[in-house]
Amino acid sequence: DIQMTQSPSTLSASVGDRVTITCRASQNINSFLAWYQQKPGKAPRLLIYQASILQSGVPSRFSGSGSATDFTLTISSLQPDDFATYFCQQYHHYPWGFGQGTEVEVK
Amino acid sequence: QVQLVQSGGGVVQPGKTLRLSCLASGFTISTFGMHWVRQAPGKGLEWVAGMSFDGSNKFYSDSVKGRFTISKDSSKNTLYLEMNSLRAEDTAIYYCAKPDWNLWYFDSWGQGTLVTVSS
Repeated sequence: DIQMTQSPSTLSASVGDRVTITCRASQNINSFLAWYQQKPGKAPRLLIYQASILQSGVPSRFSGSGSATDFTLTISSLQPDDFATYFCQQYHHYPWGFGQGTEVEVK
Repeated sequence: QVQLVQSGGGVVQPGKTLRLSCLASGFTISTFGMHWVRQAPGKGLEWVAGMSFDGSNKFYSDSVKGRFTISKDSSKNTLYLEMNSLRAEDTAIYYCAKPDWNLWYFDSWGQGTLVTVSS
């Protein structure tokens, strides 16, 4: 199975900060990576797919990059609505797995 | 627009059976694969089961293989997850999820339903 490892597990930041979350795959997944945002008590929301394509309706302050095994989610200027937990997911190979999540909390 | 409305969660004893439903609207499930993802309390997301658009291929995580069955009724536009031989470690919020047409990232999610396995 492909293991997905996110870092950090928790990130403390302030409104306006540039935030970067990393996701590493245990083997090459090309660009078959998605990013999700989840708020407490809510279902996940798709932000980015194919490593760098922004889902319709997602603010442009979110961006994704990377390929093969190393990927990054960046929030260019953190907004109050962005405090949440973020997950990466690989969809290159069965079983389709998620990273353990990164909580972005108020500093 | 796409909407997934779930039902069927609750409290069940270990070893018992429970069936979850996911009613789709805004699209036809016979043209998309569909999946189930779960989240144990305070934990991350775990993919559980998925099926191809025509139902010819079904996939399961090792943790549920042989106990859970994914299916759909296209006439009702509804996805199901039948969960047998439930264990305490199956306690989680279960989400149905719609993937892209041919790439299995999930662009729409149900609201989630809590399954608690406890005696």
